[in-house]
Amino acid sequence: KQEVTQIPAALSVPEGENLVLNCSFTDSAIYNLQWFRQDPGKGLTSLLLIQSSQREQTSGRLNASLDKSSGRSTLYIAASQPGDSATYLCAPRSNNFGNEKLTFGTGTRLTIIP
Amino acid sequence: NAGVTQTPKFQVLKTGQSMTLQCAQDMNHEYMSWYRQDPGMGLRLIHYSVGAGITDQGEVPNGYNVSRSTTEDFPLRLLSAAPSQTSVYFCASRDVGNTDTQYFGPGTRLTVL
Repeated sequence: KQEVTQIPAALSVPEGENLVLNCSFTDSAIYNLQWFRQDPGKGLTSLLLIQSSQREQTSGRLNASLDKSSGRSTLYIAASQPGDSATYLCAPRSNNFGNEKLTFGTGTRLTIIP
Repeated sequence: NAGVTQTPKFQVLKTGQSMTLQCAQDMNHEYMSWYRQDPGMGLRLIHYSVGAGITDQGEVPNGYNVSRSTTEDFPLRLLSAAPSQTSVYFCASRDVGNTDTQYFGPGTRLTVL
């Protein structure tokens, strides 16, 4: 059974700093991995999706990396802004075709201090 | 596109009552799913569907029923609500064969007294 861990559970940093969020998973046989953000009381918004054959994906100030063999992914946020404050969730998807098996971590709650 | 929509946004039920949580998407996605989110436990998959007429159980299906008569709609039914079903429910759809991105609705916050 896939288990996903995100450390730290909460993080506060001053505005402008670069930061890294960590995600580890126990089953390396994944199809892809997706990073989401969730604002309080809201749904999840997809940030980046990395296919199992890829090492990283970039979107603006965000860069996600994937090391499938070691069961790790990181989300790098450059030049953080107060608007980046949210909970960040990672979710690897299993290889099972037709099986909607997306396993979520419990997230990292990020606070950017102005 | 409206994306994934859910109704209602909030609901309070008494133990034993039934209700249906509505979910619709206008992106023509074949894959749809229901999750519940509880503090400290992350999102857990309840049921999912890979297309109209096809549904399957996820990780925590007990107490919930689903059906998929159209591509657009995927309602979740609680037949006899229990306090353990107090949670936030999210519907999602997936863009299979293209970006494979998962899109989520805004959620329904359900309280069972």
